[in-house]
Amino acid sequence: GENVEQHPSTLSVQEGDSAVIKCTYSDSASNYFPWYKQELGKRPQLIIDIRSNVGEKKDQRIAVTLNKTAKHFSLHITETQPEDSAVYFCAASILAGGSYIPTFGRGTSLIVHP
Amino acid sequence: NAGVTQTPKFQVLKTGQSMTLQCAQDMNHEYMSWYRQDPGMGLRLIHYSVGAGITDQGEVPNGYNVSRSTTEDFPLRLLSAAPSQTSVYFCASSYHHRLGGGTDTQYFGPGTRLTVL
Repeated sequence: GENVEQHPSTLSVQEGDSAVIKCTYSDSASNYFPWYKQELGKRPQLIIDIRSNVGEKKDQRIAVTLNKTAKHFSLHITETQPEDSAVYFCAASILAGGSYIPTFGRGTSLIVHP
Repeated sequence: NAGVTQTPKFQVLKTGQSMTLQCAQDMNHEYMSWYRQDPGMGLRLIHYSVGAGITDQGEVPNGYNVSRSTTEDFPLRLLSAAPSQTSVYFCASSYHHRLGGGTDTQYFGPGTRLTVL
């Protein structure tokens, strides 16, 4: 099955700095890559996603890049703010039975210091 | 729209007890799934369903049963609870993938925190 590795497990930055979280996946059949943010005690929520036919996608201060050849994708957050502090999960998804089945990374705890 | 709802929010069980975690969605999503979240382990898939009457195993299915008799509901049953099943359980749902557009976003419920003594 799919295996997703996510690094780092913890990332501490100063407010205004950039943050980068990296993921690798093993199954070349994966073709949908969402990122979720989970605040303390809350449910995971989608923040951005990218499909295999796209190399980069941006939404305000967050961007995601995908390198299908190398099987890795990354989340970039610029001008970090304290409210960006959360756990971030990447996922690699395979289309099966008409739906995307995601395999999640283990998460990155991002701490933004004011 | 209530979205994805889960009950109960918290539960404490003794080893060997059985219980059912409830999950319901009102978005007419075909796909529903159950995850468990343990510290440092991310979200691991227990079981999933691509439609009423269809279920399949995920990464960590042992000790859990599911059924999908309606589009809206996807209960998770613990047959004989064990301390290793202490975790936070999330239910999630999404649409079938639609070529040329539409969202593949997974919508998560608020979670159930289960402790097995």
